[in-house]
Amino acid sequence: EVQLVESGGGLVQPGGSLRLSCTASGFILTDSWMSWVRQAPGKGLEWVANIHQGGAIKFYLDSVRGRLTISRDNAKNSIYLQMNTLRAEDTAMYYCARFIPIGTSDPFDIWGQGTMVTVSS
Amino acid sequence: AIQMTQSPSSLSASVGDRVTITCRASQGIRNDLGWYQQKPGKAPKLLIYAASSLQSGVPSRFSGSGSGTDFTLTINSLQPEDFATYYCLQDNNYPWTFGQGTKVDIK
Repeated sequence: EVQLVESGGGLVQPGGSLRLSCTASGFILTDSWMSWVRQAPGKGLEWVANIHQGGAIKFYLDSVRGRLTISRDNAKNSIYLQMNTLRAEDTAMYYCARFIPIGTSDPFDIWGQGTMVTVSS
Repeated sequence: AIQMTQSPSSLSASVGDRVTITCRASQGIRNDLGWYQQKPGKAPKLLIYAASSLQSGVPSRFSGSGSGTDFTLTINSLQPEDFATYYCLQDNNYPWTFGQGTKVDIK
């Protein structure tokens, strides 16, 4: 079965750090661009970051650049989101997702179930 | 950043109705747009990619159209399992941006 499983969420104080993991099964992560997408409670979806298959090319939402870092370990079929200097506005469900370039479009075809991050004192 | 204006923000419909949701981009995005369905407590699910291509396994009552700045998701003959929130996403330019969502509920 093709799936993504996130872990690592939890409660953290403002200014704190957390590392999210996302492990793939049923497909080879090496072949895929990967992303993190978040959703604050009761709010809409927000794209956070993308990482190229090899890991060298990354893109970030401006509000997280310099605080959140996407990375991957293809040998472990996993991607990560290192979250530093966390703020209350980072509170959200974090989803990892795979996207597949199709022509000029890049749809997210596989999503994880999400892991919740709560930033609060 | 490209703004995606989705409308309506919510609608009430009955089983069997035809439903139309629109997304307007603040600048041209070719056909680099996808539509996603999200049910409460669940991850989003891809319905349409490249503005009008139906994702494998998605019922044919879902269709998408548009190019440039104006896009439409149509659900023909709404089914009980279609009551959910729908989002558009542009992947033409960074930062990728979602519409604010359209909640479809039962009339």
